[in-house]
Amino acid sequence: DQQVKQNSPSLSVQEGRISILNCDYTNSMFDYFLWYKKYPAEGPTFLISISSIKDKNEDGRFTVFLNKSAKHLSLHIVPSQPGDSAVYFCAGLPTGANNLFFGTGTRLTVIP
Amino acid sequence: NAGVTQTPKFQVLKTGQSMTLQCAQDMNHNSMYWYRQDPGMGLRLIYYSASEGTTDKGEVPNGYNVSRLNKREFSLRLESAAPSQTSVYFCASSEVGVGEQYFGPGTRLTVT
Repeated sequence: DQQVKQNSPSLSVQEGRISILNCDYTNSMFDYFLWYKKYPAEGPTFLISISSIKDKNEDGRFTVFLNKSAKHLSLHIVPSQPGDSAVYFCAGLPTGANNLFFGTGTRLTVIP
Repeated sequence: NAGVTQTPKFQVLKTGQSMTLQCAQDMNHNSMYWYRQDPGMGLRLIYYSASEGTTDKGEVPNGYNVSRLNKREFSLRLESAAPSQTSVYFCASSEVGVGEQYFGPGTRLTVT
C-alpha cells in the first residue's frame, strides 16, 4: 500500500506563475517530508524538506507547507521558471527509520 | 567530489543471465540504498545498508542480493535476470537518520 501519494501525474504552468505540487500520506509516523526534483537521465536531487513538527519551510522560490490534520503537504514554486520543468517526488522518512517512502511523482512543465 | 557513481549506465541482459550493478560514494556516508524506478510507480527501495557490515530488505527485495563491500561501495546483484526486472536502478547514500539522500545517475537495465 502506497504510504505517500501524489495523485496528479502532471502539471503545466505559465512562466512567472505559481506552481503547486501536492502530496498526501497515510502514515502519521513520519518524522520528515522531503521533495526531490528529477531531470531526465539523471538521479533525483534533494530540493527542500520539512520536519513533522513544523507547518512551513521556505527556501528561496520554494516553500513547503505541511497540514498534519489533513495528512497533506504541498510544494509551492514562485515564480515558476522553465528550468523548473522536471518530475517532482515527495518522500516521507518514518520515525526511527533510514529509508524513505516515495510518491509516484508529478511532472511539472513550465511554459515560457 | 564525484558524489555517487554507478556503473554501468546501460545494460541489456537475456532472461536468466546474471550481473552486478556497482555503486560508490565519496561523501563518507554511513547509509547506502538501492532503488528501482518504474513508470507510474515512483522509486521503490530494494535493499539498504544502514552502516558498513549491515544490509536490510526494502520494499521489493525478491530476485536481488546486495553486498556492502566497504563504507564506500554497495553492489546490487541479479542472479537470474527476469523481464520484470527491466527498470532504472538508482543508488543513493546519506548520513544515518537524515532524510536527505544523494543519488547516482542511474543504470538503465533491459531484460529480454
